[in-house]
Amino acid sequence: EPEVTQTPSHQVTQMGQEVILRCVPISNHLYFYWYRQILGQKVEFLVSFYNNEISEKSEIFDDQFSVERPDGSNFTLKIRSTKLEDSAMYFCASSEIRTGGYGYTFGSGTRLTVV
Amino acid sequence: AQTVTQSQPEMSVQEAETVTLSCTYDTSESDYYLFWYKQPPSRQMILVIRQEAYKQQNATENRFSVNFQKAAKSFSLKISDSQLGDAAMYFCAYRSGGATNKLIFGTGTLLAVQP
Repeated sequence: EPEVTQTPSHQVTQMGQEVILRCVPISNHLYFYWYRQILGQKVEFLVSFYNNEISEKSEIFDDQFSVERPDGSNFTLKIRSTKLEDSAMYFCASSEIRTGGYGYTFGSGTRLTVV
Repeated sequence: AQTVTQSQPEMSVQEAETVTLSCTYDTSESDYYLFWYKQPPSRQMILVIRQEAYKQQNATENRFSVNFQKAAKSFSLKISDSQLGDAAMYFCAYRSGGATNKLIFGTGTLLAVQP
């Protein structure tokens, strides 16, 4: 079964450093997403991406965040200057189409720890 | 704005027994989709079952079924013949049928399965 692959599985970074989280969505999927889950809390939407541009973003997704699909297969989330409160599990997801009752396929997540 | 509420932070069930996880949601939309995702200790988000709001028939997937009460805005998940591998966090999620394609998650229910 096709999978969404995320790397690394765990990243530790110092406060103020830039971090890039990487994802390889399912190859025929067109919509890509990032979600985050602060430990013990609910999963929150960050951003959706389609046709090489952001289609929707939440209030969490401020100027410190950016997304990119640099080479047609990878989908990255960059945090420019990490804060302690950015520590969370970050999930990438993809879907084949936007409409309809199709759920996403999620990756296994990257646990980001900011120290 | 839409909200999803899971009022049971934790549930426990004996192996081979049946358990029902509750979910309610608030929306003014008539077209939407509802999902249950499972998050085992590996942290990956796995789609369990989906329901289209326009369908009156409750969705089923093997041992998993839902009780969708549109008027009551209720979407409960029933797990029959519970297995040890069902132990996980379960999230209820809502997706609008309109322009947005983000998922709105509840806070989750941690299910323990007792041998």
